Amino acid sequence: DIQLTQSPSFLSASVGDRVTITCRASQGISSDLVWYQQKPGKAPKVLIYAASTLQSGVPSRFSGSGSGTEFTLTISSLQPEDFATYYCQQLNSYARTFGQGTKVEMK
Amino acid sequence: QVQLQQWGAGLLKPSETLSLTCAVYGGSFTGYYWTWIRQPPGKGLEWIGEINHGGSSNYNPSLKSRLTISVDTSKNQFSLKMTSVTAADTAVYYCARGNRPGVYFYYYMDVWGKGTTVTVSS
Repeated sequence: DIQLTQSPSFLSASVGDRVTITCRASQGISSDLVWYQQKPGKAPKVLIYAASTLQSGVPSRFSGSGSGTEFTLTISSLQPEDFATYYCQQLNSYARTFGQGTKVEMK
Repeated sequence: QVQLQQWGAGLLKPSETLSLTCAVYGGSFTGYYWTWIRQPPGKGLEWIGEINHGGSSNYNPSLKSRLTISVDTSKNQFSLKMTSVTAADTAVYYCARGNRPGVYFYYYMDVWGKGTTVTVSS
């Protein structure tokens, strides 16, 4: 299985901060990566697919980059509604593994 | 607006079979992969498997021996069966739509059900 490792696992930030989350794959996955946001008690919501394509309806403060084994999700100016857990997922091979998650908390 | 409504037994004993169903409302059933994902309490997400309207399915290799995902196109529903459950299968189970807009090759989950909590306990 392809393993995805996110860093950091926890992040404390303030409204207005620029936030960057990294996702590293155990082997190359081209651009076959998706980012999701999950809030407590809710289903995940897709933010970015194909590593850098913004899902329709997602605010432009979210952006994704990377290819191969290293990927980043950036929130350019953190908003109150962005405090949540973020997951990356690879689509390159089955079992379509997820990273362990990054929880973004209020400082 | 597509909505997914899921249901199934929430409390199972070890060795029993988990059975969940997801109905698709307000959109097409064809052209997508219909997917199951789970999340143990306080933990991350695990992809279980997927099926399309024609019945073509793919499974997580680590779970494959216990899984059956099926589709009922007459009702726009798809189902998950997992045999021989243990406490390790306790989780919130989500159904989701796998979609690939434009020329993108892979299917990612863009519409999700609300989740069903399944607890395995003797």
